[in-house]
Amino acid sequence: DAKTTQPPSMDCAEGRAANLPCNHSTISGNEYVYWYRQIHSQGPQYIIHGLKNNETNEMASLIITEDRKSSTLILPHATLRDTAVYYCIVRVDQGGKLIFGQGTELSVKP
Amino acid sequence: ETGVTQTPRHLVMGMTNKKSLKCEQHLGHNAMYWYKQSAKKPLELMFVYSLEERVENNSVPSRFSPECPNSSHLFLHLHTLQPEDSALYLCASSRQGSNYGYTFGSGTRLTVV
Repeated sequence: DAKTTQPPSMDCAEGRAANLPCNHSTISGNEYVYWYRQIHSQGPQYIIHGLKNNETNEMASLIITEDRKSSTLILPHATLRDTAVYYCIVRVDQGGKLIFGQGTELSVKP
Repeated sequence: ETGVTQTPRHLVMGMTNKKSLKCEQHLGHNAMYWYKQSAKKPLELMFVYSLEERVENNSVPSRFSPECPNSSHLFLHLHTLQPEDSALYLCASSRQGSNYGYTFGSGTRLTVV
């Protein structure tokens, strides 16, 4: 599975958009980009995933660059409850393991 | 509730004790996983079960013994643990062949004294 690189921490003001970057320059053609988040001492929560097209759901948007070497998770209106560690993971489709890195610790401030 | 239930939520055990962690899912998934998360470290994948068969054991010491009696239940049997085994133990499940990732439980916070 390809490795990802994320900034260790980010701050965001409440009500503003949070843009979390992820580099995955060695991603293969059959690997998806997944995003999870983990609120303190809870299990990780699935947010969104994509292959090459941009994706949006009720939680977030995922923007993947055309060369697929990087992506950005966007939380459009961050709230204090979005404070968590966000993990970007690349995974082989249909059954690849989820291997977690260090993630980005997002702090949403009033 | 995520559909994956772990019990107990907290466990304190001595190094000579034997205890078991339980995980139960009612999502119709056919693969289950144990992860370990130590303080300030990423999640580490310990065991993978697919269709009730163990398909992966990531160099986990034998004092950790998993059991998957059916596709809905997963256990982690613990014996003669060390203080460094204190961690959050997370169970997850998924449907093999699906791209929708894993669903995690809330974890068991284990303290070995």
